[in-house]
Parts: sequence; structure tokens; C-alpha cells
Amino acid sequence: ELKVEQNPLFLSMQEGKNYTIYCNYSTTSDRLYWYRQDPGKSLESLFVLLSNGAVKQEGRLMASLDTKARLSTLHITAAVHDLSATYFCAVDVMDSNYQLIWGAGTKLIIKP
Amino acid sequence: DSGVTQTPKHLITATGQRVTLRCSPRSGDLSVYWYQQSLDQGLQFLIQYYNGEERAKGNILERFSAQQFPDLHSELNLSSLELGDSALYFCASSVDGSSYEQYFGPGTRLTVT
Repeated sequence: ELKVEQNPLFLSMQEGKNYTIYCNYSTTSDRLYWYRQDPGKSLESLFVLLSNGAVKQEGRLMASLDTKARLSTLHITAAVHDLSATYFCAVDVMDSNYQLIWGAGTKLIIKP
Repeated sequence: DSGVTQTPKHLITATGQRVTLRCSPRSGDLSVYWYQQSLDQGLQFLIQYYNGEERAKGNILERFSAQQFPDLHSELNLSSLELGDSALYFCASSVDGSSYEQYFGPGTRLTVT
């Protein structure tokens, strides 16, 4: 069964701290996506990682992909309150007619 | 703004009723995906259409159906509604049959009373 597991599922942290969200997947894939969702809102694409070793950064967020380990990380540096949201990772599986297989999401709360 | 539009934004209806949700993909995108998100839950993939044809099915109930029209807009029909169908319904689109990056619409919030 194709699985995408995120951990932690819930994270409460203080502003200014660093933390990492992990996304493990169970099948071969070279493409991984990170999305952000604010409460009651739509999903916004953050990063598209298309190859092994890919690293992308936007502001205080940095995402990386290790296809051999089937692992992606989303690292938050010096967190600020505005980054509070739910973060989803999704894996592109060609054998599934190009569906995205989604993780359960990590709810991130950053306290002042 | 992703370029994907969904109507209506909110819908309140009674159990047993039937509703239609509409989605217009980004200009040039051929593939449309429908998702259901219940309160504080993850995304449940329902169905995918590519250039008018059904491409993949997920956890879609038999009471639900969808189609994609020649102009590429899509409709999701939900019938015999139950309280548990209350959720956010998202439409997403992508360039072609390979998912790559999906662009999400603002969603339709359905409340069944």
C-alpha cells in the first residue's frame, strides 16, 4: 500500500526556534510537493522537489528531498507566528495515474 | 490567486438533497482533481479527470459523481446527502495528465443540516 507519513502531526513551538517536519513515503518517487494550508483556506504550493538531493528555500522555510531514503524534510528557521498553518507533503506516483498521495498534514502552531 | 475558480463558496442544504459544485481550472490546464476535506482532517482524493475523461478514482462514494465538460470545467454532483458529507470540497488543476504541481481552488464549504 502506498503511504506517505508525516511527523509530527502536531507541533507547538515558540517564536525564534528551529524545527523540522519529516515526510516519509513508501514507494519509489522522484517528485515531492509541500503545501501550506491556513485554517479554513485553500492549499498553497510551497515547494516542488523534482530530484534526489533537491533543496529549495523560501524565507524561513527550507525543503529537501532524499529519494534513496524516501524522505523529505521541511525545516523552519527562527519561526515566526505567521508560519502557523498546516503543512502537507504529497508524493507523485506515476503508477497511480499521476495521483498525488498525501500525508496527513502537520499542524504547526507558533507562539509569540 | 491560483487561477482555479470554484462556485459556490458556501452551500447549506438538508439531508437527502442533491447539490452540484462547479470548478473551472487554470487556463491551459487539462487535468482536474476533486478532494474532500472534513473538519480538521486531511485531504481525501475523490476523482481525477483529464481532458474530459475520467483518469483515476479515489475514495468517492457511489452517491457522488463528476464530469468534465468540453470547455474543461468540471462539476461534482453529490446526492442523497448525509450529515457526514459536510466538508470543504476542493478542486485542483494541473497542466497535463502528470500531476506535477496541483493548483487548488478556494473550495466550496458544504454544510448538510
